[in-house]
Amino acid sequence: EADIYQTPRYLVIGTGKKITLECSQTMGHDKMYWYQQDPGMELHLIHYSYGVNSTEKGDLSSESTVSRIRTEHFPLTLESARPSHTSQYLCASSPGTGVGVNYGYTFGSGTRLTVV
Amino acid sequence: GDSVTQMEGPVTLSEEAFLTINCTYTATGYPSLFWYVQYPGEGLQLLLKATKADDKGSNKGFEATYRKETTSFHLEKGSVQVSDSAVYFCALPNQAGTALIFGKGTTLSVSS
Repeated sequence: EADIYQTPRYLVIGTGKKITLECSQTMGHDKMYWYQQDPGMELHLIHYSYGVNSTEKGDLSSESTVSRIRTEHFPLTLESARPSHTSQYLCASSPGTGVGVNYGYTFGSGTRLTVV
Repeated sequence: GDSVTQMEGPVTLSEEAFLTINCTYTATGYPSLFWYVQYPGEGLQLLLKATKADDKGSNKGFEATYRKETTSFHLEKGSVQVSDSAVYFCALPNQAGTALIFGKGTTLSVSS
């Protein structure tokens, strides 16, 4: 059973719309991450958080923003969707204290976004 | 910086064949190493991991040994099944240790 939930699973939306992709986890993990997965399956880190009120940009420049007001919730927002944002978005969390990731991640099932 | 390189796919095998997916890495020190699997339409699931040199991770018949001499973490399975068809990712922490970096993924297709 999933302990990290992403909604919606699939979303088709028009250009210029504002959208929020939801990610919630019930494991009490402090560290959470957003990755963008391109059609070739490669994963790119776009945002991460070490805990409440902590957000950092990842390696891939992204026009999205994130917030972390509650430990369990890490939503990703696109203010104005464009066709170039069409992708799969994966949320993950990691246990343990500090910033390290030696325990690995638990992933959600992903949101497949299509912007038309 | 730290990086991971996987063999390119797709890998196509018949049921009960032996599987090897190569993974080599570049890293400072001896980070934990991971294999993840992604089934169609799903997120990634942790398949196995190893936390130090010479450790062997294993799960569901898959194995991988952390070899610091060759900086490798190859994934193996003695007898694949159709249900093993998926994309496999090798991963390790980035140089700062703040997030995982993933290989480009290897697609495995097993036919009966």
